Amino acid sequence: KAGVTQTPRYLIKTRGQQVTLSCSPISGHRSVSWYQQTPGQGLQFLFEYFSETQRNKGNFPGRFSGRQFSNSRSEMNVSTLELGDSALYLCASSLAEGPIGELFFGEGSRLTVL
Amino acid sequence: KQEVTQIPAALSVPEGENLVLNCSFTDSAIYNLQWFRQDPGKGLTSLLLIQSSQREQTSGRLNASLDKSSGRSTLYIAASQPGDSATYLCAVGTGGFKTIFGAGTRLFVKA
Repeated sequence: KAGVTQTPRYLIKTRGQQVTLSCSPISGHRSVSWYQQTPGQGLQFLFEYFSETQRNKGNFPGRFSGRQFSNSRSEMNVSTLELGDSALYLCASSLAEGPIGELFFGEGSRLTVL
Repeated sequence: KQEVTQIPAALSVPEGENLVLNCSFTDSAIYNLQWFRQDPGKGLTSLLLIQSSQREQTSGRLNASLDKSSGRSTLYIAASQPGDSATYLCAVGTGGFKTIFGAGTRLFVKA
């Protein structure tokens, strides 16, 4: 059974650009959540989607957005990139409808903003 | 507001030692608690999931306990090995479809 797949794994952007990251959950999983990981802040919750609906959003500016498609694949977008957006972006999928499911993570997308 | 704390931040032990990692949370109204392992530059690997109604879970050399009333969980690693060297994170599932992570404990097992 394939795990959570995130693409691209690595990318370099410059300030002001935008970026789109993709996440394919484990087959059958309908919940997808996104996290930002930095050395200073640790793992911070970005947003969670279930059946194409965003059910919660973390404390990030509006430059961070996401969506989920009917096949449960999810994308997140960051516009007008800042140096501080450099981080490892992790996606997790879960079978459960609520916060009671086990989270399975992808390998992450490492974004470097120059 | 739920806060998750992990102590110690870093730990170095000789191979073969049994060890305990600690996780505390401020709000006992949790749905579950999950322990993860993260190797440098990698994603998180799920180790154990404890539902709020459970007291402990075991997998191989790992045992995790949960005491909701005191807001604490421990991860016990028996007979540690150099391959156990990694960062261990605990995370609590809260209402609002949100999981809150601790900062992690960086473990180094010396051969």
